[in-house]
Amino acid sequence: GQQLNQSPQSMFIQEGEDVSMNCTSSSIFNTWLWYKQDPGEGPVLLIALYKAGELTSNGRLTAQFGITRKDSFLNISASIPSDVGIYFCAGRTSSTSGTYKYIFGTGTRLKVLA
Amino acid sequence: KAGVTQTPRYLIKTRGQQVTLSCSPISGHRSVSWYQQTPGQGLQFLFEYFSETQRNKGNFPGRFSGRQFSNSRSEMNVSTLELGDSALYLCASSWGQGRIEGYTFGSGTRLTVV
Repeated sequence: GQQLNQSPQSMFIQEGEDVSMNCTSSSIFNTWLWYKQDPGEGPVLLIALYKAGELTSNGRLTAQFGITRKDSFLNISASIPSDVGIYFCAGRTSSTSGTYKYIFGTGTRLKVLA
Repeated sequence: KAGVTQTPRYLIKTRGQQVTLSCSPISGHRSVSWYQQTPGQGLQFLFEYFSETQRNKGNFPGRFSGRQFSNSRSEMNVSTLELGDSALYLCASSWGQGRIEGYTFGSGTRLTVV
């Protein structure tokens, strides 16, 4: 199935460091989303981006919707141990019939070393 | 406010059997989407139901089917199980065509096929 290219696949960082991950696609999306998934749980929405060029923050998280609408990045500042988990990007496309489809990235596994 | 409830949480089935998974959306949500999550393929969209009608479908074989009831609860059925069907199956509910913030995932059902 169609997927977004997400990088890096995994990263180990020290507590307090900043983290950056990105997502690219060959297709244009109208909306970009970033989710975090903890072990044994479903993904939880972190940030939603609706316009090309949009920069949105949610606490220590900042995400941007690329100008070309084919990419997005997520930054986490001053990481803490509870930031550990898998981060997914997702793009949403709409059709002429008014329905939507979500395409998810392959995920970035983040581990924070105290 | 109750979240999205998926039952059962864990399931072990034998090859060739069939399985039915259940998803109860957040009260008031009328759209339910199903995803298959595996380590190698990430989150793959299965299908979406809205008001008891399938609106979107991913690229999965006909062995995967679903339905939605008048109370918006949804079931997913997989017939003639294969080893490769082992995965975490997630459902997500939303109001339908509304804002992204309403798109909420359940904790998933982990299916193991032996």
